Amino acid sequence: EVQLLESGGGLVQPGGSLRLSCAASGFTFRNFAMNWVRLTPGKGLEWVSGISDSGGDTYYADSVKGRYTISRDNSKNTMYLQMNSLRAEDTAVYYCAKDLFGDVWGKGTTVIVSS
Amino acid sequence: DIQMTQSPSSLSASVGDRVTITCRASQGISNYLAWFQQKPGKAPKSLIYAASSLQSGVPSKFSGSGSGTDFTLTITSLQPEDFAIYYCQQYNSYPLTFGGGTKVELK
Repeated sequence: EVQLLESGGGLVQPGGSLRLSCAASGFTFRNFAMNWVRLTPGKGLEWVSGISDSGGDTYYADSVKGRYTISRDNSKNTMYLQMNSLRAEDTAVYYCAKDLFGDVWGKGTTVIVSS
Repeated sequence: DIQMTQSPSSLSASVGDRVTITCRASQGISNYLAWFQQKPGKAPKSLIYAASSLQSGVPSKFSGSGSGTDFTLTITSLQPEDFAIYYCQQYNSYPLTFGGGTKVELK
């Protein structure tokens, strides 16, 4: 069964950092681009960041550019999102999604940025 | 960046109704358009990719059409489990962008 499992969310103070992980199983992870998408209360789905199958190309939404870093370890079938300088507006449920058109999603991990 | 405009933002419908949601891209995206369903507390579920291709396991009551800038999602014979928020998303180019969502509510 194709599965994605996010972890690493939590409560963090403004200016703090978190590292999210997305563990993949049931498919050949190294063959697919991956993305992070967040659901913000009252604002809908927002694409956050994407990474090519090899990890050689990375992409970011303007709202997180310079603060977030996406990466992947194809030997561990895992994608990461390093989030620094967190702001209240980064509070959201973060999902990882397989491929450009999100045919598979994880259950999400919640990030709350608050003092 | 490509802007995706969904309409309506919400609609009320009855069980058994047929509903249509539209999505317009600010520039041509060929058929690189996906549709998702999201229910409260759940992850988005992929319904359609390539504008009109049904994801495996998704019932044929869902259908998509369009190309270029204008797209539609149609749900026939609405059932209680179909009341949810629906999003379109373009994947023609990064940054990937979503429509604002359409909330389908019970009339």
